[in-house]
Amino acid sequence: EVQLVESGGGSVQPGGSLRLSCAASGFTISNYWMHWVRQDPGKGLVWVSRIYSDGSDTSYADSVKGRFIISKDNAKNTLYLQMDSLRVEDTALYYCAREYDPVFDYWGQGTVVTISA
Amino acid sequence: EIVMTQATATLSVSPGERATLSCRASQSVSSNLAWYQQKPGQAPRLLIYGASTRATGIPARFSGSGSGTDFTLTISSLLSEDSAVYYCQQYDYWPWTFGLGTKVEIK
Repeated sequence: EVQLVESGGGSVQPGGSLRLSCAASGFTISNYWMHWVRQDPGKGLVWVSRIYSDGSDTSYADSVKGRFIISKDNAKNTLYLQMDSLRVEDTALYYCAREYDPVFDYWGQGTVVTISA
Repeated sequence: EIVMTQATATLSVSPGERATLSCRASQSVSSNLAWYQQKPGQAPRLLIYGASTRATGIPARFSGSGSGTDFTLTISSLLSEDSAVYYCQQYDYWPWTFGLGTKVEIK
């Protein structure tokens, strides 16, 4: 059974950092593009970042470019999102998702990130 | 960036009736459109991709249609378990973008 389990969310002040993790099971992330998508009440679902199966290619939404870094450890079957210089507007529920065919066919349950002073 | 518009924020439908949800893209996305269902406290679930192909395990009462800029998700005979928010998403251009969702309520 395919499962994605996010962790690492929390509450930090503006300018702070967090590192999100997404542990995958039931499949091998080295065979798939993997993504982070966030959801906030005002803007709905917003794509954040993606990484190629072997980690050689990444891309980011303009709103997080230069502040977030996506990575993966294929040996641990885990996806990461390093978030620096956090802003209030980064407050959201962060999902990791698997890309297949090419849509998001599996999602995790999400981890909450709250940025406030 | 392509803007996806789901003009109806909330749709109230009686059990057994048909629910028709619409989604419009700001420019043509061909048939590169997906629909997701999200229930409270749950992650989105893929329903439809390629505008009209049901994902694995999705009941036949869910169908999708359209191409270019105008798309429709139809739930042919609504069940109480279909109460959820439904999102469309285009994957023709980067960045992939979502609509704001249509909430389907059971009357």
